[in-house]
Amino acid sequence: DSGVTQTPKHLITATGQRVTLRCSPRSGDLSVYWYQQSLDQGLQFLIQYYNGEERAKGNILERFSAQQFPDLHSELNLSSLELGDSALYFCASSVEGSAADTQYFGPGTRLTVL
Amino acid sequence: AQSVAQPEDQVNVAEGNPLTVKCTYSVSGNPYLFWYVQYPNRGLQFLLKYITGDNLVKGSYGFEAEFNKSQTSFHLKKPSALVSDSALYFCAVREPSGGSYIPTFGRGTSLIVHP
Repeated sequence: DSGVTQTPKHLITATGQRVTLRCSPRSGDLSVYWYQQSLDQGLQFLIQYYNGEERAKGNILERFSAQQFPDLHSELNLSSLELGDSALYFCASSVEGSAADTQYFGPGTRLTVL
Repeated sequence: AQSVAQPEDQVNVAEGNPLTVKCTYSVSGNPYLFWYVQYPNRGLQFLLKYITGDNLVKGSYGFEAEFNKSQTSFHLKKPSALVSDSALYFCAVREPSGGSYIPTFGRGTSLIVHP
């Protein structure tokens, strides 16, 4: 158990809908990262937050947004969902987000868009 | 720009034999290198990392990796494979300067250990 929690574990929804994925980092970790994992694209970095502020952006679609709250939990919002958004979404956390930091991953949310 | 390659999609090894999962990288400076393992329907678990110092890094579950700067490689090894080591293994690289410190992950290597 990495100490990173993600809810829900599974999510099934329809195209055009909006969902929110939630992540709680390990105790003491200030940085949160979101990744998308699919069979054809591998593990893709979406976005990073550090202590409530956006720090880095990756291949995140405009339909997706995220935030980190004062208690350091983070939410990833996915809207206008398409079939291609079906994937595993992982949250990871690290102490400060420096280059040497180890990222610890949550168990993931499996999103299925029908 | 940083990049990492895992040249083998799948590695097959018999239980009790040594295993190697290959990783090569490309960065403009000195790399920070990581190995993670993913079991089915689970998140990635950290195995080990190289930041500086001894080129041989020891990690969890008996795994080790050797940093080779001249060959730009960071291969994961274990002297004696277990069936329970069967999983997906990811190598990742980070450049320690001038970047956003976001690691780049390889596409993963599926390790299958046969009884």
